[in-house]
Amino acid sequence: DSGVTQTPKHLITATGQRVTLRCSPRSGDLSVYWYQQSLDQGLQFLIHYYNGEERAKGNILERFSAQQFPDLHSELNLSSLELGDSALYFCASSAVPGALNEQYFGPGTRLTVT
Amino acid sequence: AQSVTQLGSHVSVSEGALVLLRCNYSSSVPPYLFWYVQYPNQGLQLLLKYTSAATLVKGINGFEAEFKKSETSFHLTKPSAHMSDAAEYFCAVSAAGGSYIPTFGRGTSLIVHP
Repeated sequence: DSGVTQTPKHLITATGQRVTLRCSPRSGDLSVYWYQQSLDQGLQFLIHYYNGEERAKGNILERFSAQQFPDLHSELNLSSLELGDSALYFCASSAVPGALNEQYFGPGTRLTVT
Repeated sequence: AQSVTQLGSHVSVSEGALVLLRCNYSSSVPPYLFWYVQYPNQGLQLLLKYTSAATLVKGINGFEAEFKKSETSFHLTKPSAHMSDAAEYFCAVSAAGGSYIPTFGRGTSLIVHP
């Protein structure tokens, strides 16, 4: 158990809908990272928040947005969903940003768009 | 820019045999290198990391990896495979002078036969 929690575990929704994925980092970690894992793209970095502020953006679509709240939990919002958005979405946390620091991954949310 | 190539999307070994998972990296600055393991229906967890202190790095569960700058490689090995080692393995690279966000390889699925 990494100490990172994600809800829900599974999500099935229709095209065009909007969903929110939630992540609670390990106790004391200020950094939250979001990743998308799919068979064709592998593990892709989406966005990084540190202590409530956006720090880095990766391959995140404009239809996707995220935020980190004062209690440090984070939410990833996916809107106007398309079939291709079906994937595993992981949240990871670390104490502080840094190339040296390993990330602790949550169990993921499996999103299926029908 | 940094990148990682994992040679072989699937590696199959017999229980008790040597495990060798290959990773080659590209980085314009000295890299930090990581191996993560993902068991079915779980998030990624760190196996080991190279941070320039020693070229041979020992990790959990009997795994180790050797950093070879001349070959730009960071291959993962284990002398004797166990059935419980069956999982997906990811190599990742980050760099203090480059992007602190790790870039992950596509992953290698390790299959262990009895």
